[in-house]
Amino acid sequence: NAGVTQTPKFRILKIGQSMTLQCAQDMNHNYMYWYRQDPGMGLKLIYYSVGAGITDKGEVPNGYNVSRSTTEDFPLRLELAAPSQTSVYFCASSPLSGRAGNEQFFGPGTRLTVL
Amino acid sequence: EDQVTQSPEALRLQEGESSSLNCSYTVSGLRGLFWYRQDPGKGPEFLFTLYSAGEEKEKERLKATLTKKESFLHITAPKPEDSATYLCAATNQAGTALIFGKGTTLSVSS
Repeated sequence: NAGVTQTPKFRILKIGQSMTLQCAQDMNHNYMYWYRQDPGMGLKLIYYSVGAGITDKGEVPNGYNVSRSTTEDFPLRLELAAPSQTSVYFCASSPLSGRAGNEQFFGPGTRLTVL
Repeated sequence: EDQVTQSPEALRLQEGESSSLNCSYTVSGLRGLFWYRQDPGKGPEFLFTLYSAGEEKEKERLKATLTKKESFLHITAPKPEDSATYLCAATNQAGTALIFGKGTTLSVSS
């Protein structure tokens, strides 16, 4: 199992550009999440999905969009990139909710800089 | 508002010097308390889940405990390879998202 994979690892964007951060998992997990991590701050939830076709906003969704067409993939779209979106982005997945359902498994992250 | 607070922000230990990291939480209807380890440039790595007060989990030199207000991560006789940032997180009654603390950065010198 590769676990949770993310591409790209690094990216520099200009203000106003758009891009998609890719995330895939091969553990057949229903739940998937996107977080951002800023220096000295805890991880903040951007969006999450409880299954294919179902997504919902987290704590900091503004400026982002997601889709979930398959169980495996959960891309995060940035439209009109702004310097405030400079951060490290982590994708995570977890099994169906239950006693063990919230043990989230994280990808290696995408470091994004917006200039 | 649900909140998770970790202390200290940073901790420096000598190899073999045991200590504890603190995680205090105010979460409505705690469903789970989680500890993760994060190495520089990597994603968080799952360590433990605790579900109810009084519960304890151990893994090598690490032991996690839980009370009704806080959790502790005890590190016994640490080694330099234990150096990392340790993250605490909780889920509330809704149980969907993890609420993270800011982490404690541990440095262990030989």
